[in-house]
Amino acid sequence: DAKTTQPTSMDCAEGRAANLPCNHSTISGNEYVYWYRQIHSQGPQYIIHGLKNNETNEMASLIITEDRKSSTLILPHATLRDTAVYYCIVRSQAAGNKLTFGGGTRVLVKP
Amino acid sequence: EPEVTQTPSHQVTQMGQEVILRCVPISNHLYFYWYRQILGQKVEFLVSFYNNEISEKSEIFDDQFSVERPDGSNFTLKIRSTKLEDSAMYFCASRRPGDEQYFGPGTRLTVT
Repeated sequence: DAKTTQPTSMDCAEGRAANLPCNHSTISGNEYVYWYRQIHSQGPQYIIHGLKNNETNEMASLIITEDRKSSTLILPHATLRDTAVYYCIVRSQAAGNKLTFGGGTRVLVKP
Repeated sequence: EPEVTQTPSHQVTQMGQEVILRCVPISNHLYFYWYRQILGQKVEFLVSFYNNEISEKSEIFDDQFSVERPDGSNFTLKIRSTKLEDSAMYFCASRRPGDEQYFGPGTRLTVT
């Protein structure tokens, strides 16, 4: 699986959009970009994933650059409950494939 | 909404004892996983399980670890002889084919 690079931490104001960057310059053609988050010590929670097109769901939007070497997770209106560690993971969709977590970005949403 | 459940939420055991951590995956899921997270460290993959056999395991998952799906609903992780360094949060996850992994709330294992 390709390696990802994320900032260690970032702050965001409540009600504002949070833009979380991720670099994955060694991504290969069949690898997807996944985002998970972990609130405090709870189990990781799936947010969104994409291959090359931008994606949006009820939680977030995912913007992937045309060369696929980087992406941005957007939380459109951050709330205090969005305070968490956010993980960008690149992997193929092979059956049974594990998730390899890095250090993630610790996001603190401030009132 | 269906959830992965894990029991117990916290397990304290003495070094050298056997522990069994239990998970009930979401009912129509076919792929099962165990991960662990030592305090302050990354979430680490331990093992994946499909069709009643291990499909992949990490270097952490040595002979002291085993997994089982004893009755078609539970998915267990056994540690035969616990060590201090086994203290961690253990997360179970499950998924359907083509879908994402859903994680349970975790079991905090403390080895004294």
